[in-house]
Amino acid sequence: QQPVQSPQAVILREGEDAVINCSSSKALYSVHWYRQKHGEAPVFLMILLKGGEQKGHEKISASFNEKKQQSSLYLTASQLSYSGTYFCGTEVRDRGSTLGRLYFGRGTQLTVWP
Amino acid sequence: DGGITQSPKYLFRKEGQNVTLSCEQNLNHDAMYWYRQDPGQGLRLIYYSQIVNDFQKGDIAEGYSVSREKKESFPLTVTSAQKNPTAFYLCASSIGTAMYGYTFGSGTRLTVV
Repeated sequence: QQPVQSPQAVILREGEDAVINCSSSKALYSVHWYRQKHGEAPVFLMILLKGGEQKGHEKISASFNEKKQQSSLYLTASQLSYSGTYFCGTEVRDRGSTLGRLYFGRGTQLTVWP
Repeated sequence: DGGITQSPKYLFRKEGQNVTLSCEQNLNHDAMYWYRQDPGQGLRLIYYSQIVNDFQKGDIAEGYSVSREKKESFPLTVTSAQKNPTAFYLCASSIGTAMYGYTFGSGTRLTVV
């Protein structure tokens, strides 16, 4: 049930853009995005609830295509503080339940250089 | 400030010993989760609990046990049956659905020698 993330790693110069993709073989209720700095806890960035929805958080935005069970995270004009590992989490629910749980991808390591 | 506290941050145990990792939250969240993180593997779900006195197995529950006697607490026991217990363990909580995102603790790094 683990979603597939790509690419595994991205290296950028400050100010460049990046896209991280996440896809699942399961029907999804929502997709979450988290960023983790080395040795720290993952930090919640955003959640997307419906097909085709897009959300933004400063210069970080994301889209969710419910039909394709895919989500993409867009980082524009990257900053040094964007460095870290990005995880997508896909929400799966048991039949008849309104409570889901997240399955996380293996992560995309983003490194931003000055 | 509200949050999740995991203790200890680092834990060393001899092979064959059971060990319990603590997770306490003061966010009044109903749901709590345990994940294991290994290099290159992402976060894998061990156990989760959506209400007190109830919990469910995740994908890799073998060799682990949990309890949920209080809303605030969700301890994880790594038993001697877990074949490869050395890992980084993360506890998380959420309001009750996944709609609001998870709050993670700072993790416990367990090393079994």
